[in-house]
Amino acid sequence: DQQVKQNSPSLSVQEGRISILNCDYTNSMFDYFLWYKKYPAEGPTFLISISSIKDKNEDGRFTVFLNKSAKHLSLHIVPSQPGDSAVYFCAASARNYGQNFVFGPGTRLSVLP
Amino acid sequence: NAGVTQTPKFRVLKTGQSMTLLCAQDMNHEYMYWYRQDPGMGLRLIHYSVGEGTTAKGEVPDGYNVSRLKKQNFLLGLESAAPSQTSVYFCASSFSTSQPQHFGDGTRLSIL
Repeated sequence: DQQVKQNSPSLSVQEGRISILNCDYTNSMFDYFLWYKKYPAEGPTFLISISSIKDKNEDGRFTVFLNKSAKHLSLHIVPSQPGDSAVYFCAASARNYGQNFVFGPGTRLSVLP
Repeated sequence: NAGVTQTPKFRVLKTGQSMTLLCAQDMNHEYMYWYRQDPGMGLRLIHYSVGEGTTAKGEVPDGYNVSRLKKQNFLLGLESAAPSQTSVYFCASSFSTSQPQHFGDGTRLSIL
């Protein structure tokens, strides 16, 4: 049973518009969440994080929102650029319990010019 | 500024053959990890290490062994390769379990 789910395998967005990538989790002990971005033939690179004590974290064009009651987080990219086309992984951990990160299956984002 | 380096990048094996994947990091990280990525499955943790000389099992450890004889290196071994081990393998490192991990570019392994 997957503890971290990304139910949309793929997403297409027009350049300049907002991209919203979603992630759901089942383990209520998770208290730290990351988003990674992965280009083909490269390893994932860290994008942005959020702790469970916050409900929003922003870094430039990227914003992550956390809804603990719904066990849901989302990554917003505004405005979307063609270079954002990649696979995005959500990861979660129970940091206070020293647990390793659990990764979702990823969502492939295509930003169309 | 190498970060995390994996060798080899590609390899084709026959069932029953053995091989070792090498991971090297130059960031002085204590923690190192081996993952496999399969379609629709995300990254699944095989083994990890919390410091030189230590190893621990992850989510999918069966069929693999690891060693961390030096802090900067983490080796993943397949003693008798099986077609089910066809995958892309990623190594990662971090300062701690609560810090984001730095990943290598992966090893694409095919078992025939």
